[in-house]
Amino acid sequence: QVQLVESGGGVVRPGMSLRLSCAASGFTFNNYDMLWVRQAPGKGLEWVAVIWYDGSNKYYADSVKGRFTISRDNSKNTLYLQMNSLRAEDTAVYFCARGPGVGHYWGQGTLVTVTS
Amino acid sequence: QSVLTQPPSVSAAPGQKVTISCSGSSSNIGRNYVSWYQQLPGTAPKLLIYENNKRPSGIPDRFSGSKSGTSATLGITGLQTGDEADYYCGTWDSSLSVGVFGGGTKLTVL
Repeated sequence: QVQLVESGGGVVRPGMSLRLSCAASGFTFNNYDMLWVRQAPGKGLEWVAVIWYDGSNKYYADSVKGRFTISRDNSKNTLYLQMNSLRAEDTAVYFCARGPGVGHYWGQGTLVTVTS
Repeated sequence: QSVLTQPPSVSAAPGQKVTISCSGSSSNIGRNYVSWYQQLPGTAPKLLIYENNKRPSGIPDRFSGSKSGTSATLGITGLQTGDEADYYCGTWDSSLSVGVFGGGTKLTVL
């Protein structure tokens, strides 16, 4: 069965960096686009970024463009999100999801808290 | 505010039917498939409908989806108390080159 397990969340100060990982199993990883979606406390879903199955294309929400980088290692079946220059408004649960679309399967999420 | 517009809340009695609307534009819903998600408190979103009207295995046929023009609709029949959750629509926006979600609709089963 499809499994997506996020890790790397935690508490950081504004301006700091954090890298999230998502370990995938149960499907052929390099056949699918992968994405990150976040949810601030008490708020709705916010699409963050997507990377094509082969890593050839990446797209970002305006709110994170220039600060976050999505990447993948198809040899390790792992998706990453490098988050730099973190802000308080980046505080959220970050979900890893598999395509097609904006999320066919989802991980359980990892909490990122940005606070001084 | 979200690119896709959903009503903040809907409610109905057990056993009844409810519909949740999702309004977008020609660059998102009008051009791409719509998905629907159910999110129970404290859990990850769960796919209910993909490609406008298809149900993943394990999703009961009480859940249905449709799309017309720049709007989509999720229908739930035979409401159960366990259906109380937040529901989101989502799709790709071809003009913005980003994924987009609705603001979410809280379903209350009275």
